[in-house]
Amino acid sequence: DAMVIQNPRYQVTQFGKPVTLSCSQTLNHNVMYWYQQKSSQAPKLLFHYYDKDFNNEADTPDNFQSRRPNTSFCFLDIRSPGLGDAAMYLCATSRPPEETQYFGPGTRLLVL
Amino acid sequence: QKEVEQNSGPLSVPEGAIASLNCTYSDRGSQSFFWYRQYSGKSPELIMFIYSNGDKEDGRFTAQLNKASQYVSLLIRDSQPSDSATYLCAVNEGNDYKLSFGAGTTVTVRA
Repeated sequence: DAMVIQNPRYQVTQFGKPVTLSCSQTLNHNVMYWYQQKSSQAPKLLFHYYDKDFNNEADTPDNFQSRRPNTSFCFLDIRSPGLGDAAMYLCATSRPPEETQYFGPGTRLLVL
Repeated sequence: QKEVEQNSGPLSVPEGAIASLNCTYSDRGSQSFFWYRQYSGKSPELIMFIYSNGDKEDGRFTAQLNKASQYVSLLIRDSQPSDSATYLCAVNEGNDYKLSFGAGTTVTVRA
């Protein structure tokens, strides 16, 4: 089945220790998104790629970076995680002109 | 991102009843509207989308859209315990393929 896969599902890191979360998709979708979701809050868009074009949200901290080496993979790098970065990180994809976004299972990040 | 407002709930309904969820949005130019279901600790999954004013039915779910009032709702008929989840309303912002999400309404279906 075509799907969006995220690894790892759970990640524990130390304060200030860089961490990388990965997302892959077999849907062949052009657009890949990274969201941060904290408990009882709306998913917050961090950035998205349309093919190779990177689009950063204005309020996304510089601590968050992303890479998309090819159509299938996208990575979220958190350079120096703080306690406030503990959250669920969601990867989603879409294929314009369709607007529906399909989510991966998420990675729950814990910062100690 | 534009504002999307939902009643946070929790909304508690007995099994078999109708659950009614509301969502309002700020951007009058919004054209596409989505409802996602999110179980605790899981990722959002699409229930349905609606583009045109009026009602759209899919099984036990009905989405209702009123663009003049900037209002979209979701009705869940014959609610089941498995419908207990948080329901996220999402609105397309225009032509840049981004969605603005509400914080969600938590529904609990009592057996």
